[in-house]
Amino acid sequence: KQEVTQIPAALSVPEGENLVLNCSFTDSAIYNLQWFRQDPGKGLTSLLLIQSSQREQTSGRLNASLDKSSGRSTLYIAASQPGDSATYLCAVSGANNLFFGTGTRLTVIP
Amino acid sequence: KAGVTQTPRYLIKTRGQQVTLSCSPISGHRSVSWYQQTPGQGLQFLFEYFSETQRNKGNFPGRFSGRQFSNSRSEMNVSTLELGDSALYLCASSPVGTSSYNEQFFGPGTRLTVL
Repeated sequence: KQEVTQIPAALSVPEGENLVLNCSFTDSAIYNLQWFRQDPGKGLTSLLLIQSSQREQTSGRLNASLDKSSGRSTLYIAASQPGDSATYLCAVSGANNLFFGTGTRLTVIP
Repeated sequence: KAGVTQTPRYLIKTRGQQVTLSCSPISGHRSVSWYQQTPGQGLQFLFEYFSETQRNKGNFPGRFSGRQFSNSRSEMNVSTLELGDSALYLCASSPVGTSSYNEQFFGPGTRLTVL
């Protein structure tokens, strides 16, 4: 069964810092990997989708990379802002459904 | 384009009751998936519907069921509620084909509390 791990579980950084969130998965036979953001008590907002054939995707201050062979993905956030404070979840797509990590709770301190 | 909508947003029930949650996907999306999110277990896949047929199912007891209508709207039903069913229930829609290949778009969720 696919296991998805996110490290660290929580992270606090001062505003303006660049930061990296990590996601690892045990089964490299994935179709795609998606990064989401979740605000407290809310649904998930899709940030980036990387197809299995791709190595990275960029959207604004966000950059996600994928190394399928090593079972790793990173989400890079440049010049963090207080509005980036949220829980970030990665999810890998197998044949039948999405497998989610437990998330990294990010706090950006003004 | 309107996003995924879920109703109701909040629900309080007592043990033993049953509940029905509703999800309207983004217009044109034919696949709807349901997930349960709890602090202890995180996000877990319940089932996926495509063209009114359940295509995939997660590891949940038979008390959890669902259906999809011809307009792609989906409902999820939980019978004989237990305290452990308290969770945020999220639905997600994706455009076409196997949800595994396509980006999933999530609704705001329904917060179910079982007393």
